[in-house]
Amino acid sequence: AQSVTQLDSHVSVSEGTPVLLRCNYSSSYSPSLFWYVQHPNKGLQLLLKYTSAATLVKGINGFEAEFKKSETSFHLTKPSAHMSDAAEYFCVVILSSGGSYIPTFGRGTSLIVHP
Amino acid sequence: NAGVTQTPKFQVLKTGQSMTLQCAQDMNHNSMYWYRQDPGMGLRLIYYSASEGTTDKGEVPNGYNVSRLNKREFSLRLESAAPSQTSVYFCASRRPPAETNYGYTFGSGTRLTVV
Repeated sequence: AQSVTQLDSHVSVSEGTPVLLRCNYSSSYSPSLFWYVQHPNKGLQLLLKYTSAATLVKGINGFEAEFKKSETSFHLTKPSAHMSDAAEYFCVVILSSGGSYIPTFGRGTSLIVHP
Repeated sequence: NAGVTQTPKFQVLKTGQSMTLQCAQDMNHNSMYWYRQDPGMGLRLIYYSASEGTTDKGEVPNGYNVSRLNKREFSLRLESAAPSQTSVYFCASRRPPAETNYGYTFGSGTRLTVV
């Protein structure tokens, strides 16, 4: 079985400070992992993905994530937060079942950015 | 523009009414999905369709039915709406792993209220 856990429901930072959004997964094999962002009243946008290539993945808007198999983690980081980063972030693990690919979402982390 | 189109964007139903949420993608994707999003719960999979002519239950299928009408369209039906089905519904389709932008493309969502 696979599951994904986002360790914080809310993260609050000041503009210009680093961002860390934590995600842990459980899987019996090396999974595909994604981070999506959802701005208020908007749809979901792909930030970045890990698919067993480089363990450090760079995404859009300055975000990156590092896949650590020993820690079963895929934390999302950004060196300097911007006000426009305020949004809901979802970590997603892809379950493979009978040839089908099923995305399983974490419960989300709300990023709050203070001026 | 290529993408996933959902209709309607907003809907209010009375308890017991039925309705169908429409989803269409023009990217020639095989796999399509229906999710519901509720506060603090992330996105939960209702049904998915790995290919034209096949559908399978996800995590929360009760109270819903789906139809994969053709490769482009995947509809979600509520036969007898209940207040517990008040939610935001997202349709998604999956880009094949061979594509460099492999991931899931989401529609903009349908906000459904059942009173």
